[in-house]
Amino acid sequence: GENVEQHPSTLSVQEGDSAVIKCTYSDSASNYFPWYKQELGKGPQLIIDIRSNVGEKKDQRIAVTLNKTAKHFSLHITETQPEDSAVYFCAASKGGSGGGADGLTFGKGTHLIIQP
Amino acid sequence: EAGVAQSPRYKIIEKRQSVAFWCNPISGHATLYWYQQILGQGPKLLIQFQNNGVVDDSQLPKDRFSAERLKGVDSTLKIQPAKLEDSAVYLCASSLRVNEKLFFGSGTQLSVL
Repeated sequence: GENVEQHPSTLSVQEGDSAVIKCTYSDSASNYFPWYKQELGKGPQLIIDIRSNVGEKKDQRIAVTLNKTAKHFSLHITETQPEDSAVYFCAASKGGSGGGADGLTFGKGTHLIIQP
Repeated sequence: EAGVAQSPRYKIIEKRQSVAFWCNPISGHATLYWYQQILGQGPKLLIQFQNNGVVDDSQLPKDRFSAERLKGVDSTLKIQPAKLEDSAVYLCASSLRVNEKLFFGSGTQLSVL
C-alpha cells in the first residue's frame, strides 16, 4: 500500500518568514495530494490540494509543488502569521482509480510554530 | 453550509466495554469515511462508504470494529470489545462523490482505561 513520509516533525520560524514542509510518497499510482491544517481539538481542515496533472498551485500565501518523477510534494507558506501555528498533514490517494476506493494515506504531521 | 457532525465529543470507557460513535455527513455527500487518529500521528482510514455500500474496509479490525451507513446518510462506528490501544480520536469525513475534496468533523475522543 501507499506510504507517505513527512518532514520535519517540528518546524519553528519567525513571524513573517517562510515555512516549507516536504513529503514523499511510494505509490506511483497516487494522483491526488491534499494538505490539511489541524488545530487543537478540531478535525483536519483542507487548505490546498494538487492533482498529478499539475506541477504547482498557489492560493494567496500558500503554495504546493509536485514532482511526480521524484514522488515528492511540498507545502510553502510565505509571510507566516501567528494564526498559521498548527499541525499540518500531507496526504496522498489514488483518487478513485482503485475501484472507487480513494481513502487518503496521511503523513505523520508537522507541528509548525510561529515565533512572534 | 453545515459541516460534518459527530457525537459524542468525548467518551471514556473501560477495556472490554463496547462503544458507538455517530456521524452525520454534509447534506448530499455520497461518500463517507471513518478515520482513526492516534495521538501524534496522522489519521488512518478505517472504512469508506459510497452511499450505503462499503467501498474499502481493508484496514478495519473486523474482529472488534463494525460500521454501518443505513439509508446512505448518517453512519455509526462500533467497537466491541474495546482494547487499550483503541484510545484515539475517531474522525468522520465526507465528500460529494469519489475523487472529490474531503471535509472532516471534529471527531470523538475515546479513552479506554
